[in-house]
Amino acid sequence: DAGVIQSPRHEVTEMGQEVTLRCKPISGHDYLFWYRQTMMRGLELLIYFNNNVPIDDSGMPEDRFSAKMPNASFSTLKIQPSEPRDSAVYFCASSRSVGGLTSTDTQYFGPGTRLTVL
Amino acid sequence: AQSVTQPDIHITVSEGASLELRCNYSYGATPYLFWYVQSPGQGLQLLLKYFSGDTLVQGIKGFEAEFKRSQSSFNLRKPSVHWSDAAEYFCAFLNAGNNRKLIWGLGTSLAVNP
Repeated sequence: DAGVIQSPRHEVTEMGQEVTLRCKPISGHDYLFWYRQTMMRGLELLIYFNNNVPIDDSGMPEDRFSAKMPNASFSTLKIQPSEPRDSAVYFCASSRSVGGLTSTDTQYFGPGTRLTVL
Repeated sequence: AQSVTQPDIHITVSEGASLELRCNYSYGATPYLFWYVQSPGQGLQLLLKYFSGDTLVQGIKGFEAEFKRSQSSFNLRKPSVHWSDAAEYFCAFLNAGNNRKLIWGLGTSLAVNP
């Protein structure tokens, strides 16, 4: 398996523009997670899906952020409008169970998208 | 409040030296505990996890961690560090309840001197 795939790997945009981050989870994984990583706040869970349904979006910072999972093999995280404080690395992860809750499961992370908002 | 504390923001060790990274958690029950590693420019990779049973857990790359309930700790150790171990290390636990999710520490950055 190719692992979790994220695109783009790097995104530079100007304040006010719409940004869309994409994620393809590992086939057969029922859970998909979006994280944001910054120096100040560390790794934050933004939202996670189970079988394409959002389960917990309490980490989504504000209405400018939205996430969708139209099918089992694709998810997007959209920021509209973007602001400089959104600059961060955004990770997508997938797993068979919610946190790797078996001896053979774990959350598999993608390589991340580094977003810079000017 | 549920939280993970990694007291050391940054650690530098010499290659071949032993390593211990500290992790303390705050939680009302025995959690499921994890250590992840993030190499520069990469995503996170699971090193090891503790669910139950033997409190000393073996992981990949020669790492181990020991769960100590009395100290609410899950420290990561390696007897001899290699230059390739330079990375960011994250401790996390899985909370209970309806919306289960990993609660993360802020990470410890490890530098290895040749």
